[in-house]
Amino acid sequence: QSALTQPASVSGSPGQSITISCTGSSRDVGGYNYVSWYQQHPGKAPQLLIYEVTTRPSGVSIRFSGSKSGNTAFLTISGLQAEDEADYFCCSYTSRNTRVFGSGTKVTVL
Amino acid sequence: EVQLVESGGGFVQPGGSLRLSCATSGFDFKSFGMNWARQAPGKGPEWVAYINSGATTIHYADSVRGRFTISRDDSQKSLSLQMTRLTDDDAALYYCGTGREYSIAVWGRGTMVTLSS
Repeated sequence: QSALTQPASVSGSPGQSITISCTGSSRDVGGYNYVSWYQQHPGKAPQLLIYEVTTRPSGVSIRFSGSKSGNTAFLTISGLQAEDEADYFCCSYTSRNTRVFGSGTKVTVL
Repeated sequence: EVQLVESGGGFVQPGGSLRLSCATSGFDFKSFGMNWARQAPGKGPEWVAYINSGATTIHYADSVRGRFTISRDDSQKSLSLQMTRLTDDDAALYYCGTGREYSIAVWGRGTMVTLSS
């Protein structure tokens, strides 16, 4: 199973909004509402930001939101802050009963 | 507080075997599905295996199916990953994690597996 496709990098200025895409197929992203998003700072374990496409776990900032259209899922970060500089990964359940992560996006706060 | 602590990593020769463990505390272990995921240095995470509550459903990534075995001991609140026929591609930091069935809300700190001949 190939990794889901994400842009290698996205940047924005403090206070701006950015959106990260995650493209798969009808066998994963498009076929199920089981897309999750993770934030990972260097040397740390990933942290869950969004599950089941749009749901934020308790404790996650409302600045993070998820959506999906067809075979592509999106993570939007509003009001960008310096602490948001990190790597971001999407993940989807697949028709083969597996889970596949995205290729990852490095977010830079200018 | 939910805690997951992995152990068992180390140096192993290609073709060798290794057994990883994950000790848990702070939640009702028997009621939750568990995952193993891994991350090679400088790479993104890769999901490895999932076992549900009751161990009636087990899923593996294509890359490890037939070589790795996930199991759980509810009496000990622990998760295991038996790894055999290891290759260079298996070298990574291995995490155990739990949460909902299709996402990982809580991750351990990981245990490193290094392939060395």
